Parts: sequence; structure tokens; C-alpha cells
Amino acid sequence: ETGVTQSPTHLIKTRGQQVTLRCSSQSGHNTVSWYQQALGQGPQFIFQYYREEENGRGNFPPRFSGLQFPNYSSELNVNALELDDSALYLCASSNPPTGYTFGSGTRLTVV
Amino acid sequence: KNEVEQSPQNLTAQEGEFITINCSYSVGISALHWLQQHPGGGIVSLFMLSSGKKKHGRLIATINIQEKHSSLHITASHPRDSAVYICAALYNNNDMRFGAGTRLTVKP
Repeated sequence: ETGVTQSPTHLIKTRGQQVTLRCSSQSGHNTVSWYQQALGQGPQFIFQYYREEENGRGNFPPRFSGLQFPNYSSELNVNALELDDSALYLCASSNPPTGYTFGSGTRLTVV
Repeated sequence: KNEVEQSPQNLTAQEGEFITINCSYSVGISALHWLQQHPGGGIVSLFMLSSGKKKHGRLIATINIQEKHSSLHITASHPRDSAVYICAALYNNNDMRFGAGTRLTVKP
């Protein structure tokens, strides 16, 4: 079975730009969750997608948006980037009630 | 205040020692995860618990639902166990709240 793959692994963007991060879910998983992990902190839940619909959202502004595709892969889009958006972005796929499989993350730096 | 509290924040042990990391959460959850994160960011899911105890190799995880507390134990610790261990509580609205992590260093 394949794991969760995130792309790109590293990314540098300028404040105000937009970014798209991608995540492929593990085979057999229909749910993808996205998290933001600032340096030295635990991850924070952004949102979750289940069968192409948003299925829960954390305390993030609307400029954080997402998509899930029919093959259950997912994108995280962030508009109007701010310096504080610099973080490791993690996605995890799951097929409730089984456990989560995490990707290795995309490290985003906003300058 | 984080809804998920871990202790200790940092832990240094000698190879072979028995290690315990604790996690407490503030409200009812549907499941609790123990995760391992190595430098560079990749996270590995170690356990998902909703009750009782699970064991995998030298790792043991327990949860006490009434006390809203979970522990991760590592027996016969080894330098390759050095990592950040994170507990994460999954709530019924699919929101997963993470502890700040415990940085474990095992010295040879």
C-alpha cells in the first residue's frame, strides 16, 4: 500500500502571494486532514475533507481553503500569504475508524 | 491553555532506561493518538486508543477515560528512540488537538 505523499517538500513565497500544497491519500483512505505546525509547537487542525466535502474546520481564516478530488487526494490553498503562515503543513489520511497516516509535510517559508 | 497537556516537555535518558510520557486532555474525546516526529518533520502514528492498552514492540500506550489521561511507555530505550513524541486528542467534530510534544533524547 502507498503512504501519504506531500508536495512540494519545501517552498518559499513572498508575502501577499498565494500557495497550493498537495497531498495524496493512502490507498483505501477517504478522509484527508490538514494541519499547520509552527516551529517548536504542536500541529494545529486546519480542516478535514471527507468524500470531497469539508467535514470539520479549525480556527483558521477563510483565506485557508481546500479541495478533495475523486481519488481522495487533496489540496490546501492559502491566499494573501502572511509572514506568520510560515510553518510545516502536514496532511494525514484516514478511513475512520482506523488510524491516521501522516505525510512528511511541506515546509513553507513566507518572506 | 492547550486542551491537551503533555509532560515532561524534555526528557533525557540513558540507553536501556524505562521511559514514560504523560498526556492529559480536558474534555471527552473519540480517540487519542500517540505520534512520533523526527527532525525534518515527518510524523509516524504509533497508536490510536479509545480505551485500555496497546503494545507494539517496546512501546506501550495506555488510556484511562475516566481520568482523561494517557501514557506512552518505552521499555529498554535506545538512541534511535530519540524524537519528539506527541499526543493528539480526536474530538467528535473531527478536530484533532495536539499536545506540544515531549522531546526525548536517549544517550548511549
